[in-house]
Amino acid sequence: EPEVTQTPSHQVTQMGQEVILRCVPISNHLYFYWYRQILGQKVEFLVSFYNNEISEKSEIFDDQFSVERPDGSNFTLKIRSTKLEDSAMYFCASKPGLGGADTQYFGPGTRLTVL
Amino acid sequence: AQTVTQSQPEMSVQEAETVTLSCTYDTSESDYYLFWYKQPPSRQMILVIRQEAYKQQNATENRFSVNFQKAAKSFSLKISDSQLGDAAMYFCAYRRLMEYGNKLVFGAGTILRVKS
Repeated sequence: EPEVTQTPSHQVTQMGQEVILRCVPISNHLYFYWYRQILGQKVEFLVSFYNNEISEKSEIFDDQFSVERPDGSNFTLKIRSTKLEDSAMYFCASKPGLGGADTQYFGPGTRLTVL
Repeated sequence: AQTVTQSQPEMSVQEAETVTLSCTYDTSESDYYLFWYKQPPSRQMILVIRQEAYKQQNATENRFSVNFQKAAKSFSLKISDSQLGDAAMYFCAYRRLMEYGNKLVFGAGTILRVKS
């Protein structure tokens, strides 16, 4: 069964450094998402992406964050200058199409630790 | 803005017994989707069950079923014949019925412990 994959599984970085989290959505999916989960807290929406542009973003998704689909398979989240509070689990998700009934499929997550 | 509330931080159930996890939500919309996701210790998010608000019939998926009360804005998950593998964090989530975006709004989660 096709699945969303994410790399790396765990990323450790120093405060102020740039990180890029990578996701490979399911191949025929058109909608892509990033969510994050700070340890012990709820899962929060960051951004959705369709047709090579952001379709919606949360207030968390400030200028330090950016997303890109550099080729036909990868979907990346970049954090320009990491802060301690960016430490969290980051989940990528994808959805087949425009239909509101479509289910979002999640990847296994990337644990980001900012020291 | 839509909100999702899970009032039970933690629940326990004996293996083979039934447990119900509660979820309430707040929305002014009449059509939407509701979900239960399971997050085991591996932290992968796994879809358990989905309910369309326009359907009166409660969704079922093997041992998992929901009690959807639209007027009360309540969406509980019932797990029958609980198994050790059901132990996980369970998140209730809401999504608007719209063509674009479709972000999920999650509750805080309920930890389910299964005792053997």
